[in-house]
Amino acid sequence: AQSVTQLGSHVSVSEGALVLLRCNYSSSVPPYLFWYVQYPNQGLQLLLKYTSAATLVKGINGFEAEFKKSETSFHLTKPSAHMSDAAEYFCAVSGRSRGSTLGRLYFGRGTQLTVWP
Amino acid sequence: NAGVTQTPKFQVLKTGQSMTLQCAQDMNHNSMYWYRQDPGMGLRLIYYSASEGTTDKGEVPNGYNVSRLNKREFSLRLESAAPSQTSVYFCASSGPAPMNTEAFFGQGTRLTVV
Repeated sequence: AQSVTQLGSHVSVSEGALVLLRCNYSSSVPPYLFWYVQYPNQGLQLLLKYTSAATLVKGINGFEAEFKKSETSFHLTKPSAHMSDAAEYFCAVSGRSRGSTLGRLYFGRGTQLTVWP
Repeated sequence: NAGVTQTPKFQVLKTGQSMTLQCAQDMNHNSMYWYRQDPGMGLRLIYYSASEGTTDKGEVPNGYNVSRLNKREFSLRLESAAPSQTSVYFCASSGPAPMNTEAFFGQGTRLTVV
């Protein structure tokens, strides 16, 4: 069975500070991992994804995440927060077996990021 | 290039009423999904369809039915709406692993049951 735990339902940072959103997964084999962002009253937008090509994954808007198998983690970071980063962020995991339904995602409960001026 | 299109965007229902949420994708994906989003719960899978002609239950299927009308369309039906079904509903689609590596989401349907 697969599951995702996001540590911290709310994270607040000052503009220009480091953003760190934590995600740990549980899976019997290394899965596909994703970070999605949701702005108010909008759908989900893919920030980045891990598919085993490289453990450090770069995404849009200056975000990146590192896959650490030994820690079963996929934390999201951004060196310098911007006001426009305020949103809800979701970590998700999917199976990787051939033919598996990639959209059958298991989501974490989300982390609301607030950026203070 | 529309991607995944959901209709309607907003809906208010009275308890006991029925309705169908529509979803269509134009990416020739085999698999389609319905999720619901509730505060503090993330997104939870209601039903999915791995390919045309097949449907399977997800984590929270009670009170819902689905139809995979063709490869493009996947509808979600609430036969007798309940206040507990007040939520934001997202449709998604994906191609098969390992060639395709992500799911694409629609903009959501905000449903309120009073």
